[in-house]
Amino acid sequence: QKEVEQNSGPLSVPEGAIASLNCTYSDRGSQSFFWYRQYSGKSPELIMSIYSNGDKEDGRFTAQLNKASQYVSLLIRDSQPSDSATYLCAVRESGATNKLIFGTGTLLAVQP
Amino acid sequence: DADVTQTPRNRITKTGKRIMLECSQTKGHDRMYWYRQDPGLGLQLIYYSFDVKDINKGEISDGYSVSRQAQAKFSLSLESAIPNQTALYFCATSDSGGQTDTQYFGPGTRLTVL
Repeated sequence: QKEVEQNSGPLSVPEGAIASLNCTYSDRGSQSFFWYRQYSGKSPELIMSIYSNGDKEDGRFTAQLNKASQYVSLLIRDSQPSDSATYLCAVRESGATNKLIFGTGTLLAVQP
Repeated sequence: DADVTQTPRNRITKTGKRIMLECSQTKGHDRMYWYRQDPGLGLQLIYYSFDVKDINKGEISDGYSVSRQAQAKFSLSLESAIPNQTALYFCATSDSGGQTDTQYFGPGTRLTVL
C-alpha cells in the first residue's frame, strides 16, 4: 500500500512567522507532488506543484523536494491568519494509473 | 461560473435509499474522479474515469457505482445508502495525464445518511 504521511498537527505559529509543513511518501517512483490548501468544509485548492529536486517558490510559498529522502515540504513565509487551514500533501502514484495519493493533512493555525 | 460544479451541495437521506450525486465541468478535461473525505482521514478515491468509455474502481468502490454520461458529466450513485457513507464527497477533474497533470476539485457535497 503506497502511503503519504503528514503530521496532523495542529501546527501553531504566530502571525509573521514561517510555517513549515512536512510530508513523506513511500512510492520511490513518484515524480509529481502537490500541496493543496483546504479550509474547513471547503474543497481542496491547489497552491503548489513540484516535480524536480530542490526548491520552487511562488510568492510567500516555497515547496521543497528531496526524492532520495522521499520527502516534500511546504514553507509559508510571513504567515497570516488567513493561512489557517489544513494543508494536504498529494503524491502521484508511479505507473499507468496516474492516481494521486493524499496524506491526511496538517492543520495550521496562525495566531494573530 | 465555477469550472467544476456538484449537485446537490447538501443532502440528508435515509438508510436504504438510492441517491445520485452529480458532477459537471466546463474545463474541457478528459479525466474525472470521485473522492470521499471523512474527518481525520485523507481523500479516498472511489472511482475515476479517463474518458467517456473508461471507468475504473478506486480504493473504496464497494457500495458505489458511477456513470460517465459525457465528457463533462460524471455521476456517483449510492444504490442503498448506509450511515457509514455519511461523508463529504468531492468530484475532481484533470487534463490528459503526464507529469504535470493536476486535479481540480469541485465544491463538494455533504451527504448525511440517517
